[in-house]
Amino acid sequence: EVQLVESGGGVVRPGGSLRLSCAASGFNFDDYGMTWVRQAPGKGLEWVAGINWNGGITGYVDSVKGRFTISRDNVKNSLHLQMNSLRAEDTALYYCVRVGYTYGIPRWFDPWGQGTRVTVSS
Amino acid sequence: QSALTQPASVSGSPGQSITISCTGTSGDVGRYKFVSWYQQHPGKAPKLMIYEVTERPSGVSNRFSGSKSGNTASLTISGLQADDEADYYCCSYAGSSTSIFGGGTKVTVL
Repeated sequence: EVQLVESGGGVVRPGGSLRLSCAASGFNFDDYGMTWVRQAPGKGLEWVAGINWNGGITGYVDSVKGRFTISRDNVKNSLHLQMNSLRAEDTALYYCVRVGYTYGIPRWFDPWGQGTRVTVSS
Repeated sequence: QSALTQPASVSGSPGQSITISCTGTSGDVGRYKFVSWYQQHPGKAPKLMIYEVTERPSGVSNRFSGSKSGNTASLTISGLQADDEADYYCCSYAGSSTSIFGGGTKVTVL
């Protein structure tokens, strides 16, 4: 069974940092890309960042460029999101999601983890 | 990177068909066949329903179908059932290794 388990969320002050992690199991991790999608309380889904199978290709939504870094460890089957200079608007549930790619383009996002909550507040 | 445009809500009676639209631009929906749809029940993680505009993952009911014309993609749910009541999100590849979601549509079964 494919499982994605996020961790690392919490409460942080504006300007602070957090590192989210996602432990993957039940599939060949280095055969797939991965992505982070967030959902602010009561709001819709927002794609945040993505990474291809070997980490050679990454992408970010404009609002997090220069502040967030996505990375992966194919030995430990884990995905990470380093979040710096956090703002109130980064408050959300962050989902780790497996990505099916073709020619470097994401085809689908499946499955989704249960999410880890990040709250940025003073 | 503005969100794709979806209607806030769509409703229908059991057994009816409904269609949810997802409008983007010539740089995302109009340019790529990589449009997908996700169903999210309250308090749950989203679930993939349609990918590459029309493809249905195994295990997803054939009552769900997708299409695209120009800059607008659509999800149709036929034979509406009570369990179809959920939020639905479209997503498109937007170039430069980025993706973009729609604002979401709440489906209500009357």
